[in-house]
Amino acid sequence: QVQLQESGPGLVKPSETLSLTCTVSGASISSSSWSWVRQPPGKGLEYIGYVSSSGSTNYNPSLRSRLTMSVDTSKNQFSLNVSSVTAADTAVYYCARGTSGPDTWGQGTLVTVSS
Amino acid sequence: DVVMTQSPLSLPVTLGQPASISCRSGQSLVHSDGNTYLNWFQQRPGQSPRRLIYKVSKRDSGVPDRFSGSGSGTDFTLKISRVEAEDVGVYYCMQGTHWPRTFGQGTKVEIE
Repeated sequence: QVQLQESGPGLVKPSETLSLTCTVSGASISSSSWSWVRQPPGKGLEYIGYVSSSGSTNYNPSLRSRLTMSVDTSKNQFSLNVSSVTAADTAVYYCARGTSGPDTWGQGTLVTVSS
Repeated sequence: DVVMTQSPLSLPVTLGQPASISCRSGQSLVHSDGNTYLNWFQQRPGQSPRRLIYKVSKRDSGVPDRFSGSGSGTDFTLKISRVEAEDVGVYYCMQGTHWPRTFGQGTKVEIE
């Protein structure tokens, strides 16, 4: 059974960098591409981007200039960095498997941007 | 970006009755590989999204057969044949054909 678990700080200051890690269990990270999706409180879903098992990335153009994604095959993890955050980046961040239609999702982690 | 438009945005339903959600895309979702990457997700209150349907009509493992997907090109539908209490939540369509991936606004299903 494939499971994904997000981890990282729940509070980030404006202008700083949001950093999250997703740990994959029950599957090799080399077996798929891995996505990040976010959901502002009370709102809908926004697809952020994905990283392939080889480390290639594809970012949503609306966020591209501030995003970095990477994969660590030795730890079976992948990560997301969002730089220069503002209050608009406050959201539940989900990691998920796949990109054309993610089939497995983590439980999500709330990241609040506030001083 | 491909705009995904769902209707209705709110759907009160009676237990045991059918329900239907429409999703329209701003352009065809037929990929150059011949597949149509249209997905449906269910998000129960306080939970992560769960994929129900992929490639328009393929049901994920463990999804009750009262859920079905149909459509082609730009017009798609999710149907629940007989709504049960556990079906309460928000349903999203998502296209996986074009970049960036985009979701519909969500349809909130609640019991009348």
